Formats: sequence, C-alpha cells, structure tokens
Amino acid sequence: AQSVTQPDIHITVSEGASLELRCNYSYGATPYLFWYVQSPGQGLQLLLKYFSGDTLVQGIKGFEAEFKRSQSSFNLRKPSVHWSDAAEYFCAVVLPSGGYQKVTFGTGTKLQVIP
Amino acid sequence: DGGITQSPKYLFRKEGQNVTLSCEQNLNHDAMYWYRQDPGQGLRLIYYSQIVNDFQKGDIAEGYSVSREKKESFPLTVTSAQKNPTAFYLCASWTRGLELFFGEGSRLTVL
Repeated sequence: AQSVTQPDIHITVSEGASLELRCNYSYGATPYLFWYVQSPGQGLQLLLKYFSGDTLVQGIKGFEAEFKRSQSSFNLRKPSVHWSDAAEYFCAVVLPSGGYQKVTFGTGTKLQVIP
Repeated sequence: DGGITQSPKYLFRKEGQNVTLSCEQNLNHDAMYWYRQDPGQGLRLIYYSQIVNDFQKGDIAEGYSVSREKKESFPLTVTSAQKNPTAFYLCASWTRGLELFFGEGSRLTVL
C-alpha cells in the first residue's frame, strides 16, 4: 500500500544545532514530494517541494531537503536551528497525474528547540 | 492579497447539531480540499472538488457533506452523524505551482 512515514514523532534540538527530519515513502513510482510546516493553531505553509532534477532542494527559512531514490527518502535538514523553528513538520507526497491530485501526508514530527 | 479564508476560527457545538465551516478562496484555483487533523494522525482527506458542482469523497467522508456552487466557495457541513467531530479542520486549494495552499483552519469542539 502507498504510504508516507515520518518515524520521529517528537525531536528536541538545541538552538544553533543542526536538524534532520526523516521522511520515507512507499510508492511504485517517484512521487512529487513536499515538506510543510505548521505552527500551533495555524494552517500549513510549504517549505519546499521536489518534482524532478537536482536531488538537493532549497526551501524557505534556510531549509533544504535531499531526495534519495535508492532509499525512498526525502529528509529535511537545516544547518542551524533557530528558536522560531519550533513547530510541527509534515512530509507529503502526491503521484503526478492529469486529474485529481491526492496528497498523502505523514503523521508529522513535532520539533522542540531548547536554548 | 490572495488567500483562503476559513471561518469561524473556533466553533463549539452541542451533540446532535449540524455545523457548517466556511472556506472561501480568491486565488482562482479550481481544485479545493477539506482535511481533518487530529493529534498524531497527520491530515486526513474528507472531501475534494476539482470543479464547480462536482466533488468526491476522500478517505473519511462519513458524517460530512460539502457543496461547490461557486468556484470560490467550498463549505463543509459536519453532521450529527459524525461520531467524533472534535478536530481541527483545514481547507486547501491546489495551486498552479502544483502544491497545496492552506487556510488557517477552524477548530471545532463538541460539548
């Protein structure tokens, strides 16, 4: 079955430390891949997306993600975390098609940043 | 500025009542979606609509209904048949940049 897995429910990092959030997918073909961020009580904001081409994707707020086909992964990274990065992060995938785009979300990773 | 407006932001309902959540967009997007979010479960698709007067059930449509009479509007009704309606509800549209754009959400609490 098609699925998106974010194995880490909760991650705590110190401010200034590096961050990597994991995302794995299980699809027959390479889907479109997304990372979204959500602050408490708010909607989701797109951080970055990958369709094809360069496997290292740059996004907003200093985030980047790397697509690894061999590992079916699309991990999100940031070299130095700021306190304002504390939020919940969602990986999402969609199989490209000409019609309806069904976006499947992972269960999210909640990031806590400590001083 | 273009965007998606969801209202109300907070809503309280007694058991057995139907409630309608509003979603309005001025982005001229064709496809619109409703998601439900519960802690630890990510986002689950309730209904989606690709064009006016057409909509399809998502993964958890039972107890919900929608309409799409105008391109700009995609209201969601949570009916009394929904057994556990307390949740955060998110409306979104599919952009020409091939991504989902979200509203700010509506939190429904059943008393």
